[in-house]
Order: sequence, then structure tokens, then C-alpha cells
Amino acid sequence: AQSVAQPEDQVNVAEGNPLTVKCTYSVSGNPYLFWYVQYPNRGLQFLLKYITGDNLVKGSYGFEAEFNKSQTSFHLKKPSALVSDSALYFCAVRGLDSGNTPLVFGKGTRLSVIA
Amino acid sequence: DTEVTQTPKHLVMGMTNKKSLKCEQHMGHRAMYWYKQKAKKPPELMFVYSYEKLSINESVPSRFSPECPNSSLLNLHLHALQPEDSALYLCASSQDRGRNSPLHFGNGTRLTVT
Repeated sequence: AQSVAQPEDQVNVAEGNPLTVKCTYSVSGNPYLFWYVQYPNRGLQFLLKYITGDNLVKGSYGFEAEFNKSQTSFHLKKPSALVSDSALYFCAVRGLDSGNTPLVFGKGTRLSVIA
Repeated sequence: DTEVTQTPKHLVMGMTNKKSLKCEQHMGHRAMYWYKQKAKKPPELMFVYSYEKLSINESVPSRFSPECPNSSLLNLHLHALQPEDSALYLCASSQDRGRNSPLHFGNGTRLTVT
């Protein structure tokens, strides 16, 4: 069965510093990986996806993610954090063994950027 | 602003009421989804429609009844709900059910069952 792990419930970072939100996955076959962000009282917004090709994927709002097959990781990164980046971040995966399930989400990581 | 529109934004209903949640998208997407999200938890899949046909029902109680009148609209009919059904209900759509089609979510309906 496929699964996603986000090992940190909470990440705190100072404004202007680089940020990393961690994600590891387990699937059969090549993974399709996604990052979503959720602001308070809002739905999930699609940030970026990895399907194939370059291991470094660029997405919305200056975010990027690095796919590492050997470590089965897909960490979300941003070079310089903004206070407005504070939100709940979900990693999601879909693999060959996903059956009909569109996505499997991680439990989420709350990012707090402090001014 | 999201391209998936959900109404109402908030809904309070008693356990004997009947109400409906509505979702609309005009992106030409052919797959639509209902998710339930509890506070600080990831969304849980409830139903999937593909080309207006129900393709996944994740063992959801019959007090939740989905309907897809056409390719742009998705409804969730609610009847005899329980307080534990209080949650954020999210609608999403994607171009199709292909693995690389990202889901686009609405802002949800915050449902409170009293």
C-alpha cells in the first residue's frame, strides 16, 4: 500500500530564512508527487507536482521541491520565507498501486514564519 | 481565488434536517470529488465522479448522498446527520482521473451539526 510521511507536525522559521518541509513516501512503481498548501478556512491550493524529469521542481509562490529517489523523499523548499507563507502544508502521492484512490495525503505540517 | 466554487460557506443544521452542499467548476474538468476534513487533519476521500458517473464511494454512510447533475456541478445531499459529521467538506475537480492531473479544491463548506 502506498503511504506518505510528514515527520514534523510543526516547523518554525524566521522571515527571510530558508525553509524546508519534509516528506517521504512509499509506493509501487514510479511515484507521482504533489504539494498542497491550506490557509485558514480555505481549501487546498496546488503548489507543484513531480511526474518525471528534472528532480528539482518549481512551483507557485517561489516554492520548489526536490525529488530524491534513493531516499524516497520529496521535500518542499523556499530560499527566503515570508510571514504570508504561514499555513498548513500537505504532501500527497499517487503510485501504481493506488487503485482508484486519487491521492494519499500526509498528515500535514504546520509552517509558522516569524517576523 | 479558487476556480471551484462551493456554497454555502457555512451551514448549521439539526440532526433531523435535510440540506445540500453545492459545488461548481467551469474548467472543463471531467472528474469531481467530495472530501471530508476534520480540524488539523488531512482530507479524507468520500466520493469520486468521473464523466458524471459515480466511480468511488469510500464506504460513506447513506446519510450522505452525492449527485452529479452535469459535468460542471456536484451536489452532496445531507440527511439525518450526526454531530460527529461536523467538518469542512471540500469539493475538488481534475481534468480527468489520470495520475498526473492535480486536484483543484474549492474553499469548502464548514458544516456544524447540532
